[in-house]
Amino acid sequence: DTGVSQNPRHKITKRGQNVTFRCDPISEHNRLYWYRQTLGQGPEFLTYFQNEAQLEKSRLLSDRFSAERPKGSFSTLEIQRTEQGDSAMYLCASSLQVNTGELFFGEGSRLTVL
Amino acid sequence: QQQVKQSPQSLIVQKGGISIINCAYENTAFDYFPWYQQFPGKGPALLIAIRPDVSEKKEGRFTISFNKSAKQFSLHIMDSQPGDSATYFCAASIRGDYKLSFGAGTTVTVRA
Repeated sequence: DTGVSQNPRHKITKRGQNVTFRCDPISEHNRLYWYRQTLGQGPEFLTYFQNEAQLEKSRLLSDRFSAERPKGSFSTLEIQRTEQGDSAMYLCASSLQVNTGELFFGEGSRLTVL
Repeated sequence: QQQVKQSPQSLIVQKGGISIINCAYENTAFDYFPWYQQFPGKGPALLIAIRPDVSEKKEGRFTISFNKSAKQFSLHIMDSQPGDSATYFCAASIRGDYKLSFGAGTTVTVRA
């Protein structure tokens, strides 16, 4: 399968714990995006990378959130000291910098904070 | 605050009918307007997209109508099929970063 891969697909954690999600983009895509989606809402932009450089972070990304994309390949999104409000689907998408604008989304990582 | 407002929240249509979803935006810098389709348990997938230099784009049974002066655009699904039952999101972005701002979504149910 050559699509965007996200792991784990589901994560249940207790409040205060740290969690990390991984995204493997389509191999030739140099842009990688993280979005958050809550029930009944559209995805909300969190951050994006061009190669290894993090170009923009949303105000939604508090200091408990950190994203990395070492070597411009896979990316990780870490949430420290999780809160119940962090419960959501975390979506990763990738694209080519110069293309039609199509973002290819993974199936998401669902986080439940108890 | 949501930069793209979408309506209705949900709709039910009979097989063969027309589904119409509307979106409105405020940021005049937006110049790329895609629609994404999402099935339960899956990530969104691009359905069709339009740029503001055209007023309409058709791909198969799916048509986007775009009204730049009104800052509105809509998706029409013709001859709706049960397989079209999904959640549809309109979105907008500025050319270059493709940092999409999504609407809240419309759940479409097509009854056989």
